[in-house]
Amino acid sequence: LAKTTQPISMDSYEGQEVNITCSHNNIATNDYITWYQQFPSQGPRFIIQGYKTKVTNEVASLFIPADRKSSTLSLPRVSLSDTAVYYCLVGDKGGNNRKLIWGLGTSLAVNP
Amino acid sequence: DSGVTQTPKHLITATGQRVTLRCSPRSGDLSVYWYQQSLDQGLQFLIQYYNGEERAKGNILERFSAQQFPDLHSELNLSSLELGDSALYFCASSRDPTSGRDIAKNIQYFGAGTRLSVL
Repeated sequence: LAKTTQPISMDSYEGQEVNITCSHNNIATNDYITWYQQFPSQGPRFIIQGYKTKVTNEVASLFIPADRKSSTLSLPRVSLSDTAVYYCLVGDKGGNNRKLIWGLGTSLAVNP
Repeated sequence: DSGVTQTPKHLITATGQRVTLRCSPRSGDLSVYWYQQSLDQGLQFLIQYYNGEERAKGNILERFSAQQFPDLHSELNLSSLELGDSALYFCASSRDPTSGRDIAKNIQYFGAGTRLSVL
């Protein structure tokens, strides 16, 4: 069964770049790695996804090494409104019963 | 607003009871996912339906069941409730432009959740 590991919490200051790494082994060979953001009392919201190398959109970048055993979400110049929990999501590798494996989430606190 | 509607927002019930949570997906989305989120266990994937059929199964208890109807709305039934079932239950939907096995690829849109309290 695939397993993911993320830091439980991180602290940062406004304007800094924040990098959150998720380690994941035994993930599905052809599936994507996806990251979500969750604010209190709301459902998670999609941020970014990728298969390998680097992907960038208007809010974040995602770095995935060739072995795909980890991925790093990069948030450039964070603001107070980026305070949230960030989850990585992968697909499990084995069998016919596919499972979605979510990390436990990284609680990011952005300070003034 | 994600376009995914969950009802009710809050539910308070007693141990041993049965409840039904309802989810209406975004217009055009064929997949529905159910999740349980509690403080000590994070976001737990329960089950996914695609166009009425079960597609992927997570750590769903035998006391829980779900189905997706022809109009694509879904219901999660929780029976013989225990105190430990108290949690936030989320539904999500996705369009699934690709078929098959790449389930993490499909971008999910989440509802606001149903908060279940079992007393």
